[in-house]
Amino acid sequence: SQQGEEDPQALSIQEGENATMNCSYKTSINNLQWYRQNSGRGLVHLILIRSNEREKHSGRLRVTLDTSKKSSSLLITASRAADTASYFCATDGGGAQKLVFGQGTRLTINP
Amino acid sequence: DAGITQSPRHKVTETGTPVTLRCHQTENHRYMYWYRQDPGHGLRLIHYSYGVKDTDKGEVSDGYSVSRSKTEDFLLTLESATSSQTSVYFCAISVGQGSEAFFGQGTRLTVV
Repeated sequence: SQQGEEDPQALSIQEGENATMNCSYKTSINNLQWYRQNSGRGLVHLILIRSNEREKHSGRLRVTLDTSKKSSSLLITASRAADTASYFCATDGGGAQKLVFGQGTRLTINP
Repeated sequence: DAGITQSPRHKVTETGTPVTLRCHQTENHRYMYWYRQDPGHGLRLIHYSYGVKDTDKGEVSDGYSVSRSKTEDFLLTLESATSSQTSVYFCAISVGQGSEAFFGQGTRLTVV
């Protein structure tokens, strides 16, 4: 089964609101990454957080990591219509040489 | 798209025929991955490579094989295509273990 599981599967909010997505994983990790996918396109890397970090920021993105709960969250502040996309977390399985993705959260920003 | 090219971009094939998808990179990255993406399943790892001739299975490897004879090329072969292999296939590359991955534009494969 997949290493990362995102929650919720779908999220619809108004432009300007904040969007929060969660990711849970099963095994120990070295790092966790978040990606965005616009419809029909390849995934684009957003941010990487290492296992010894608890929080990381990049522009309007804020990622937290709780290794004790094996969970991470992605917060997008002041959402824009262009943020409409699917968002995925990915983990390295704690030393495995593969990169495993979850099922993703479909985010819709309504104008 | 970070020097990754997938070919073909679209393909329709008949059940039982062999199919090979190609991923070509110009970045000299060590790691290459093949994923399939289906509604409700996100991205699932098929096979990955951590060097020339070094490959390993992912979570959905049955019915697929791969080869990497050169750093720049990672081939995914469906030995005998089935309708369940209708999907969008993505190739990705990364410079190191657990590093940021760069994705190709995807190949839409339909098996009829």
